[in-house]
Amino acid sequence: EVQLVESGGGLVQAGGSLRLSCAASGFTFSNFWMSWVRQAPGKGLEWVANINQGGSEKYFVDSVTGRFTISRDNAKNSVYLQMNSLRAEDTAVYYCARDGSGSYYPARYFDIWGRGSLVTVSS
Amino acid sequence: SSVLTQPPSVSVAPGQTARITCGGNNIGGKSVHWYQHKPGQAPVLVVFDDIERPSGIPERFSGSDSGKTATLTISRAEAGDEADYYCQLWDYNSDHYVFGPGTKVTVL
Repeated sequence: EVQLVESGGGLVQAGGSLRLSCAASGFTFSNFWMSWVRQAPGKGLEWVANINQGGSEKYFVDSVTGRFTISRDNAKNSVYLQMNSLRAEDTAVYYCARDGSGSYYPARYFDIWGRGSLVTVSS
Repeated sequence: SSVLTQPPSVSVAPGQTARITCGGNNIGGKSVHWYQHKPGQAPVLVVFDDIERPSGIPERFSGSDSGKTATLTISRAEAGDEADYYCQLWDYNSDHYVFGPGTKVTVL
């Protein structure tokens, strides 16, 4: 079964750090671009960051640039989101999502999602 | 960068048809994708590349594109279709994924 499982969420004080992990199974992880998408309480979905198959290309939404980093370990079938200098507005459920194309060029949509990990930043 | 618009809510009677629109200043010529999201669950891709349906998604879900507006149509609506629906595209200018604000579908 194709699956993504997030972990690492929790309660953190403003200015603190947290590292989210996403474990993939059921597909050849190293073939796919991967993304993190978040949903703040009562709000809609917001793309946060993505990374290409080899980890050499990374992109971020403007609001997290310089504070968040994305990485992956293809040997462990995992992608990570390191979140530093956290703010109250980063409070959200963070979803790991797979790009819809297993080829070099991304499809630019998400065909597999995890159930999410809640990050709460207290001010 | 692209800004997408969706109606906040759509109501539909069981067995009837619901249509959710997605508009935007730069939507023309771009591929639009649609997700169904139920509380506490993972979002589900229901339409990609404007009109394509992933395997396992019922034929009741269909997408269309008129150039300036993309539409997700849910035919023969069922109680299980109640969810938030989001459109999404790739903004080539900013290299960002953009989501619409979401539409809450209620099956009365």
